[in-house]
Amino acid sequence: DMQMTQSPSSLSASVGDRVTITCRASQSISSDLNWYQQKPGKAPKLLIYAASSLQSGVPSRFSGSGSGTDFTLTISSLQPEDFATYYCQQSYSTPYTFGQGTKLEIK
Amino acid sequence: QLQLQESGPGLVKPSETLSLTCTVSGASISSGSYYWGWIRQPPGKGLEWIGSIYYSGDTYYNPSLKSRVTISVDTSKNQFSLKLSSVTAADTAVYFCARRPIRGPARFDPWGQGTLVTVSS
Repeated sequence: DMQMTQSPSSLSASVGDRVTITCRASQSISSDLNWYQQKPGKAPKLLIYAASSLQSGVPSRFSGSGSGTDFTLTISSLQPEDFATYYCQQSYSTPYTFGQGTKLEIK
Repeated sequence: QLQLQESGPGLVKPSETLSLTCTVSGASISSGSYYWGWIRQPPGKGLEWIGSIYYSGDTYYNPSLKSRVTISVDTSKNQFSLKLSSVTAADTAVYFCARRPIRGPARFDPWGQGTLVTVSS
């Protein structure tokens, strides 16, 4: 199976900060990488697909980049509603696999 | 507006079969443009893809669960279902259903709200 490794596992930041989360694949996955946001007790919500395409309705402060094995999710200016856990997911091959998550907390 | 809703028992005994149904509203499973799938999340842990089904009945499963998983579809009820046999405590999780397009990037959207299934005697 394709292994997805996110860093950091947790992150403390303040409202207004610029934040970057990294996801690394165990082998090249082209641009077949998606990002999700999950709040406690809720289902994950798709933010970014195909590494850099913004899902409809998602604020433009979210952006994604990367290809091959290294990917990033950037939040340009943190808002209070952005404190959540973020997951990457590869869609290059089955079984589809997720990163272990990055918990973004308020500093 | 498309909505997915999971339903089924919240408690299953060890060695028995877990059965869940996902009811789709706001769109037809038979449209042919999407796969319909299951993903689970043990309490406090990450996400694991279980498998997906097309309206025709074509399925593909996570090899780690394949021997115990059956996903089926009922187009007349606009539902698809999950059965997981011989469950243990390790199968305790929130189970989500979700849609993914058959063309283009394989992303899951939207998701159901999820249902917690506890395996315990």
